[in-house]
Amino acid sequence: QVQLVESGGGVVQPGESLRLSCAASGFTFDTFGMNWVRQAPGKGLEWVAFIRFDGSTKYYADSVKGRFTISRDNSRNTLFLQMDSLRLEDTAVYYCAKALSGGLDYWGQGTLVTVSS
Amino acid sequence: QSALTQPRSVSGSPGQSVTISCTGTSSDVGGYDYVSWYQQHPGKAPKLMIYDVTKRPSGVPDRFSGSKSGNTASLTISGLQAEDEADYYCCSYAVTYTVFGTGTKVTVL
Repeated sequence: QVQLVESGGGVVQPGESLRLSCAASGFTFDTFGMNWVRQAPGKGLEWVAFIRFDGSTKYYADSVKGRFTISRDNSRNTLFLQMDSLRLEDTAVYYCAKALSGGLDYWGQGTLVTVSS
Repeated sequence: QSALTQPRSVSGSPGQSVTISCTGTSSDVGGYDYVSWYQQHPGKAPKLMIYDVTKRPSGVPDRFSGSKSGNTASLTISGLQAEDEADYYCCSYAVTYTVFGTGTKVTVL
C-alpha cells in the first residue's frame, strides 16, 4: 500500500531554515510527480511546490518562490523541501502528496512547521 | 495564483443532494480538464474524491460526482450521509502552478 511519511518539522525563528523529508513506499516513486501542500492553522489548503518524476522540472507558488527548494532522491524514494528565510506566515502543517494526472491521490499525515520569535 | 472561489458552507439532510461550486478563471479551471476535489475531516489529511473533473478514484462512492462548465466546476454529493460532513476543497492544476479553492464546510443536518 502507498505510504508517505513526512518528517523534519519543528519550531524555528524567523529567518531560519528547515528541511522537510517525505519517505515514499508502496509505489514506483521515480515514475510520479510529487507535491508539497501546506495548511496554516485553521485555514485552507495552499499548494507549495511540484517536482516532475525525474526532477527535471520544478514549479513553486509565488509565496515561496526564491525561498523554498523542492528536490527528490529517487534512489532513496525520498522527497525534500528546503525552506530558507522562513517567515511567520510559513507556519503550517506541510503535506507531501503524490500526483495522479491532474490530482493528488495520496497524502502523508503532515509535519508541523512553526515559525515563531 | 488567486484561490478559487467556493461557498463558505452548504448543508443538507441525510439522503438529500448538495452541490458545491468552484469558480476560477480561464487560466486555471476553464483552461484545463484538471479539476480535483478533496474531502478533509478535522485533524486528518485530505482525501482525493474526484480528479480530472469527473473521475473517481477506486473506493470513492459513486454518490460523489464532478462536472465543469466554463470557469466553474462543481462537486455533487447525492444521497448525503452523516460521514460526508467535512470540509471540501476544489483544486485546479494549471501545469506551471496548482491552486486550491477557499474550502466549503458541508454540514449534514
